Amino acid sequence: DAKTTQPPSMDCAEGRAANLPCNHSTISGNEYVYWYRQIHSQGPQYIIHGLKNNETNEMASLIITEDRKSSTLILPHATLRDTAVYYCIVRGPNTNAGKSTFGDGTTLTVKP
Amino acid sequence: AAGVIQSPRHLIKEKRETATLKCYPIPRHDTVYWYQQGPGQDPQFLISFYEKMQSDKGSIPDRFSAQQFSDYHSELNMSSLELGDSALYFCASSSGQPRDLAKNIQYFGAGTRLSVL
Repeated sequence: DAKTTQPPSMDCAEGRAANLPCNHSTISGNEYVYWYRQIHSQGPQYIIHGLKNNETNEMASLIITEDRKSSTLILPHATLRDTAVYYCIVRGPNTNAGKSTFGDGTTLTVKP
Repeated sequence: AAGVIQSPRHLIKEKRETATLKCYPIPRHDTVYWYQQGPGQDPQFLISFYEKMQSDKGSIPDRFSAQQFSDYHSELNMSSLELGDSALYFCASSSGQPRDLAKNIQYFGAGTRLSVL
């Protein structure tokens, strides 16, 4: 499985964009990058996923570098309710397709 | 929209007792996943089922077993409970072949909090 590395914590001012980085330098060509978040003791919540193109949905944008060795999750206008642990997960069809391997995520704290 | 339903939400058991956790996936979802999250830890994958067959297995203790039924709901059976089994247990569901990652999104339930005394 490709290993991911995220900063343990980040702060963001309310209303500003939150940019959460993730390194996945050993990612394979057919592995996807998924982002989930977990608000204290709630079930993890899907945010977005992508293979190599940048993706955007109603929650966030996902920017994947051209070499695919890193990605950035962007929350365009962070609110206090976005305070959570954010997990970057790599999943491939031949390895861990059936599961999400949650590693050490980033605790994002949005401050007023 | 309907979500993943887990029951019970809270469960208190004594050591060496048994427990059964239930998961009802989102309608038309055919894959179910179970995760365990200990205090202060990240969720750890236990086991998954696709179309009622086990599709992947993680660090699930031999004391635990699970199955998916014909209506796609799933049950996690835990026997000889230990203090260390106290955790949040999450169920997730998704639609379609788990290896079709372009479309495979896992949606999580609110979890069952198991306390073993």
